[in-house]
Amino acid sequence: DAGVIQSPRHEVTEMGQEVTLRCKPISGHNSLFWYRQTMMRGLELLIYFNNNVPIDDSGMPEDRFSAKMPNASFSTLKIQPSEPRDSAVYFCASSWGTASNQPQHFGDGTRLSIL
Amino acid sequence: AQRVTQPEKLLSVFKGAPVELKCNYSYSGSPELFWYVQYSRQRLQLLLRHISRESIKGFTADLNKGETSFHLKKPFAQEEDSAMYYCAYSGSSNTGKLIFGQGTTLQVKP
Repeated sequence: DAGVIQSPRHEVTEMGQEVTLRCKPISGHNSLFWYRQTMMRGLELLIYFNNNVPIDDSGMPEDRFSAKMPNASFSTLKIQPSEPRDSAVYFCASSWGTASNQPQHFGDGTRLSIL
Repeated sequence: AQRVTQPEKLLSVFKGAPVELKCNYSYSGSPELFWYVQYSRQRLQLLLRHISRESIKGFTADLNKGETSFHLKKPFAQEEDSAMYYCAYSGSSNTGKLIFGQGTTLQVKP
């Protein structure tokens, strides 16, 4: 099992460009989470899905951010237009079931730099 | 608001010294609490959860509801324990949502 797979691993782009981050959760997991990690704010939950349905997007910083989960094996996080303050490491995680005590499995993250 | 507080951004100790990483939460229900760890160049991964009452890699954490704390402890730190540690909790939600603290970097010096 390769675990949660994220792509790309690194992304460097100019401000104003559209950025798309991708995530493939572990097969069989039905909850998916997008996080942003920065030195100042630590690990912040942006949005999470359960059975492909967005449950809570209150952590999405602005309308420039959007996330989709068209099926159980794929999710995207899009930033349009991107800004330098969006520079961070973005993590995707997945878990099984709806019990709050199920561990989340994280991907390697995407390190995003907006110039 | 639900919140997890890790007051120390950096904790530096010498090998063999005891370690305590502090975590406090603000929630009045029956939370599920976790410690996650991120070693250098590795994925964030679950270290332990309070319901298991287990010791992993010599680490233990006891839930103190009176003090709303879930501090992570190890009696004798090892160099390989150097990592970023995140405390997290799940409240009454049944969807697996976790709220993380800001993290503490543990540096174990030789």
